[in-house]
Amino acid sequence: DSGVTQTPKHLITATGQRVTLRCSPRSGDLSVYWYQQSLDQGLQFLIHYYNGEERAKGNILERFSAQQFPDLHSELNLSSLELGDSALYFCASSVALAGSADTQYFGPGTRLTVL
Amino acid sequence: QQPVQSPQAVILREGEDAVINCSSSKALYSVHWYRQKHGEAPVFLMILLKGGEQKGHDKISASFNEKKQQSSLYLTASQLSYSGTYFCGTESSGNTPLVFGKGTRLSVIA
Repeated sequence: DSGVTQTPKHLITATGQRVTLRCSPRSGDLSVYWYQQSLDQGLQFLIHYYNGEERAKGNILERFSAQQFPDLHSELNLSSLELGDSALYFCASSVALAGSADTQYFGPGTRLTVL
Repeated sequence: QQPVQSPQAVILREGEDAVINCSSSKALYSVHWYRQKHGEAPVFLMILLKGGEQKGHDKISASFNEKKQQSSLYLTASQLSYSGTYFCGTESSGNTPLVFGKGTRLSVIA
């Protein structure tokens, strides 16, 4: 158990819908990262928040947005869902900023299925 | 820029050794190694920070050649539990996100 929690574990929805994925980092960690992993694909970095502020964006679609709240939990919002958005979504947390060679601890993931 | 991992997949018998390579076209600040079992979260193995640094974890070790911008993960006397996909993640200097390679699928059979 990494100490990172993600809810829900599974999510099945229809195209065009909007969903929210939630992540609670390990106690004391200020950074939250979101990744998308499609079937048999690697981990695609989406976005990074540090202490409530957005620090870096990766391959994140405009239909996707995220935020980190004062209690440091984070939410990833996915809207106008398409079949291709079906994937495992992981969040990870670390103590420090990216580029500081800090270990990232991954949550169990949310499996999103868009029908 | 995404690091390149090789091989893409490897099958070993228990007790055999394997090497997984990770190379980048950019200067690297650090290399991170993770293992992911099917349907589970990636699990941290180790970070390498300095050129030439080697780290070990049980029978899994890694090296980092800063000049060549490469890292290698060494698995010795492999066990069934080593099966999974191994990812390297690289950081360039500065405030840059970790970029993962596409992974190497390792299967250990009895």
